[in-house]
Amino acid sequence: ETGVTQSPTHLIKTRGQQVTLRCSSQSGHNTVSWYQQALGQGPQFIFQYYREEENGRGNFPPRFSGLQFPNYSSELNVNALELDDSALYLCASSLSGAKNQPQHFGDGTRLSIL
Amino acid sequence: DAKTTQPPSMDCAEGRAANLPCNHSTISGNEYVYWYRQIHSQGPQYIIHGLKNNETNEMASLIITEDRKSSTLILPHATLRDTAVYYCIAPNTPLVFGKGTRLSVIA
Repeated sequence: ETGVTQSPTHLIKTRGQQVTLRCSSQSGHNTVSWYQQALGQGPQFIFQYYREEENGRGNFPPRFSGLQFPNYSSELNVNALELDDSALYLCASSLSGAKNQPQHFGDGTRLSIL
Repeated sequence: DAKTTQPPSMDCAEGRAANLPCNHSTISGNEYVYWYRQIHSQGPQYIIHGLKNNETNEMASLIITEDRKSSTLILPHATLRDTAVYYCIAPNTPLVFGKGTRLSVIA
């Protein structure tokens, strides 16, 4: 069974740039959620994708957007990067349809904004 | 959504049982309690979840009180590799992480 994989593991960008982060879900999972974890804080929910549609969103501005592909992999795009976007970005996959299914996380992409 | 309360930190001697409490007094009848942990520089790792009955798997045991207002995660024989931040969460979608409990296992 292949777990959740994220790429790249580390990334450095400057203010105003755009970034795309990628996530491959665990085999058999059809739902992907993205979280942002600032240093010293717990992860914060950004949004979730199911059947290639956004299926719930946290308190993040529209410059945070995403995609889910037919193979259930996903991308997180962030435009007009700000210093406060520096964080660990986590992807989690799960099997929708059964409410009690846990989410399984990748090890994240650490994004640094200069 | 239920709000959970956990102690900020705990210590445990290696080889002893680690008992991590969680208060979730506002949990509704159909909401599961989930436990995750996060070891430094890694993504959160799912540990266990339960609704009413006590649960056990290869990683831990989960004891839920009869009124479902609190639960305890038990690591029966803690090792140094169990040092992590432990999160108690209800419900599961989306996950709402609080500050968790920082467990330090001491040799």
